[in-house]
Amino acid sequence: EADIYQTPRYLVIGTGKKITLECSQTMGHDKMYWYQQDPGMELHLIHYSYGVNSTEKGDLSSESTVSRIRTEHFPLTLESARPSHTSQYLCASSGLRQNTEAFFGQGTRLTVV
Amino acid sequence: AQSVTQPDIHITVSEGASLELRCNYSYGATPYLFWYVQSPGQGLQLLLKYFSGDTLVQGIKGFEAEFKRSQSSFNLRKPSVHWSDAAEYFCAVGVAGGTSYGKLTFGQGTILTVHP
Repeated sequence: EADIYQTPRYLVIGTGKKITLECSQTMGHDKMYWYQQDPGMELHLIHYSYGVNSTEKGDLSSESTVSRIRTEHFPLTLESARPSHTSQYLCASSGLRQNTEAFFGQGTRLTVV
Repeated sequence: AQSVTQPDIHITVSEGASLELRCNYSYGATPYLFWYVQSPGQGLQLLLKYFSGDTLVQGIKGFEAEFKRSQSSFNLRKPSVHWSDAAEYFCAVGVAGGTSYGKLTFGQGTILTVHP
């Protein structure tokens, strides 16, 4: 079944640790996105990619980085986690046609202590 | 830049009552509009979308939304709410052209509580 997967679902980690949030999709979508969502707030786009080797910063500044080496995989990395990075991170993907919706993963809830 | 406003942060309705969630957008051209629903601890699920054509769009779970260009609105409605509809609802506008198409701008969300 075509889907979009995020791991881990929950992560509690100490300050200063390096972390990678995984996102994979099996729908063959070229476009992929990372959104950040704080409790009770809207989603903010932090990274997007329109294909392999294409990555761009989103509307909200983030200290995280992303890579797109394979079409189906779009990991997000924090080199040194801080409590201010505590948030929910949602990955999404969509097709190339303009009138196409985004499909979302279940999210990773990150807590940095 | 586009923006989305959901004026109601929290709405409470009784099961079986009708529901309307408000959404106003700001965008310089014809928008692509979406309603997503998020249950606690889950990702977002698409309820319905508007790209063009009929301004009244039908979605899953008995939801519908009406695009009103003159009011820059895309309100979500359901004639009879079920307890399982309790969740957070997000309205979003998508960029329709240029190199930025596909990126979504979200509203702050409306939390729906359903009383038995």
